[in-house]
Amino acid sequence: KNEVEQSPQNLTAQEGEFITINCSYSVGISALHWLQQHPGGGIVSLFMLSSGKKKHGRLIATINIQEKHSSLHITASHPRDSAVYICAVRYEAGAGHNTDKLIFGTGTRLQVFP
Amino acid sequence: NAGVTQTPKFQVLKTGQSMTLQCAQDMNHEYMSWYRQDPGMGLRLIHYSVGAGITDQGEVPNGYNVSRSTTEDFPLRLLSAAPSQTSVYFCASSYRGRGEQFFGPGTRLTVL
Repeated sequence: KNEVEQSPQNLTAQEGEFITINCSYSVGISALHWLQQHPGGGIVSLFMLSSGKKKHGRLIATINIQEKHSSLHITASHPRDSAVYICAVRYEAGAGHNTDKLIFGTGTRLQVFP
Repeated sequence: NAGVTQTPKFQVLKTGQSMTLQCAQDMNHEYMSWYRQDPGMGLRLIHYSVGAGITDQGEVPNGYNVSRSTTEDFPLRLLSAAPSQTSVYFCASSYRGRGEQFFGPGTRLTVL
């Protein structure tokens, strides 16, 4: 079982729909990252969060540390949001974990149709 | 700033050949890392460096070497390429390793 699980694996939506992508993890973490990978292959960092909620434009990321769960929401989705969204976590210090490393989920492929 | 740059973008090798993937960043980041991305799998860490002169292994280091002689550059060497090393390789950097990750555009490597 992966330490970072994302759901769904694939998601299709009509333009304008509200999108939710989920990320669950099984270890104690110090931070969680959301990344976006466009069809051209480039990877861009969207959010880094350790508690609460962050918002940037139409994107909202939330995290619940107690439940070991994070969500990425896209409001008023648009075809240009079509991409793979990747969740990654950094271990918290202690328990022998290397806190310099990120552990990645396998990604959620989102397609938004006009 | 150019950010994180990688060369080449594409490469085809024959089994047994060697090559170096180049990575450079101009943000004065201490932390740099190399990942490989394979279909159906998350990004996997190959090697990383927390500063000039310091490198360490990641999850999948076998068949790869790295060095970090300057803050800016972090090349990845394939000593004897194997078909299992066919993948897309990403270099990334961050300030002190705990901050936002900046990724290069990737190198698509095919080993025949």
